[in-house]
Amino acid sequence: EVQLVETGGGLVQPGRSLKLSCVASGFTFNNYWMSWTRQAPGKGLEWVASITNSGGSTYYPDSVKGRFTISRDNAQNTLYLQMNSLRSEDTATYYCTRGDWAYWGQGVMVTVSS
Amino acid sequence: DVVMTQTPVSLSVSLGGQVSISCRSSQSLVHNNGNTYLSWYLQKPGQSPQLLIYKVSNRFSGISDRFSGSGSGTDFTLKISRVEPDDLGVYYCGQGTQYPTFGSGTKLEIK
Repeated sequence: EVQLVETGGGLVQPGRSLKLSCVASGFTFNNYWMSWTRQAPGKGLEWVASITNSGGSTYYPDSVKGRFTISRDNAQNTLYLQMNSLRSEDTATYYCTRGDWAYWGQGVMVTVSS
Repeated sequence: DVVMTQTPVSLSVSLGGQVSISCRSSQSLVHNNGNTYLSWYLQKPGQSPQLLIYKVSNRFSGISDRFSGSGSGTDFTLKISRVEPDDLGVYYCGQGTQYPTFGSGTKLEIK
């Protein structure tokens, strides 16, 4: 059974940093691109970052480029999202997703507020 | 960015009925490799989104044949037949041909 389990969310002040983790199981992690997708409260889905299966290339939308960094540890089957210079508009539930969008984690809430 | 426009915003259907949801993209979703990366997702209340349909018309593993996808280019449709109580939630279309984007969602309610 494929599982994606996110951790690391919480309340953080504007301008501060937070790092999310996602542990994957049930599939060959290093065979797949991985992504983060977020959903602001009561809103729709927004893609946040993607990383190739080797970790050699990363992709971001303009809304987070330069502030967020996606990375992975294939030996530990773990995906990360380093979020810096957080803003109130980054408040959302963050989902870890397999690169083919077939599987989503349960999500982790990030609240940016003073 | 590819803008995905979903209609309607919400709809109400009787159990056993049929509904269609439309999704239009601002650019063709045909990839250079010939594939069209248009997917449909259902987010049930309090849950994560789940994949229903990928590459326009392919049902994901375990998805009922009551769900069907069609379309091409910039115009796509999700049809749900014989609606059941468990079908309620918000349906999203999403594209992966370019940097991923999603429609704003269609909320399905059961009458």
